Amino acid sequence: RKEVEQDPGPFNVPEGATVAFNCTYSNSASQSFFWYRQDCRKEPKLLMSVYSSGNEDGRFTAQLNRASQYISLLIRDSKLSDSATYLCVGAEGFKTIFGAGTRLFVKA
Amino acid sequence: DVKVTQSSRYLVKRTGEKVFLECVQDMDHENMFWYRQDPGLGLRLIYFSYDVKMKEKGDIPEGYSVSREKKERFSLILESASTNQTSMYLCASSSTSGISYEQYFGPGTRLTVT
Repeated sequence: RKEVEQDPGPFNVPEGATVAFNCTYSNSASQSFFWYRQDCRKEPKLLMSVYSSGNEDGRFTAQLNRASQYISLLIRDSKLSDSATYLCVGAEGFKTIFGAGTRLFVKA
Repeated sequence: DVKVTQSSRYLVKRTGEKVFLECVQDMDHENMFWYRQDPGLGLRLIYFSYDVKMKEKGDIPEGYSVSREKKERFSLILESASTNQTSMYLCASSSTSGISYEQYFGPGTRLTVT
């Protein structure tokens, strides 16, 4: 079983839609969680950190449920530029485990 | 602005060759990482280093070695390249200060072993 599991997608959504990704992790010692974004043929870049209390950054909302060991990312009002692969990450100290990513295509 | 650079974007090597991949970061980060990324498997950690001359094996260290002689530079070495090492190699760095441990990635090296 992978330590961090994500639905690979692809998710195909129209512009303006709301889309949600979930991710589960198996290491209960994981302390920090993140969502990274990776554009085609580019390196991953941090999208946002995930806190137990939930956090929001513009159209993006991340949630952590420690009891069920899952992390979610909600994107509201999808834009064409949101098309990318979204990587879920769990970290224990500086050792990080990346999920394989969920592909999102936003269409006009 | 953090910058992580890798020596080559594309590399083609023959089976059995010794391959060096170089990574340099300019933010005085303590931690540096080497990953490989393959379709459907995501990023897998090969080695990481939390200080000069220190190294730790990641999940898939077999067939690789690393060197960190200076804080800003972390090298990945394929002692005898094989076709199953054809992959995208990504270097990253992070700081131990702060609470985030955000990793900053280089642009990647796409290695093909023929």
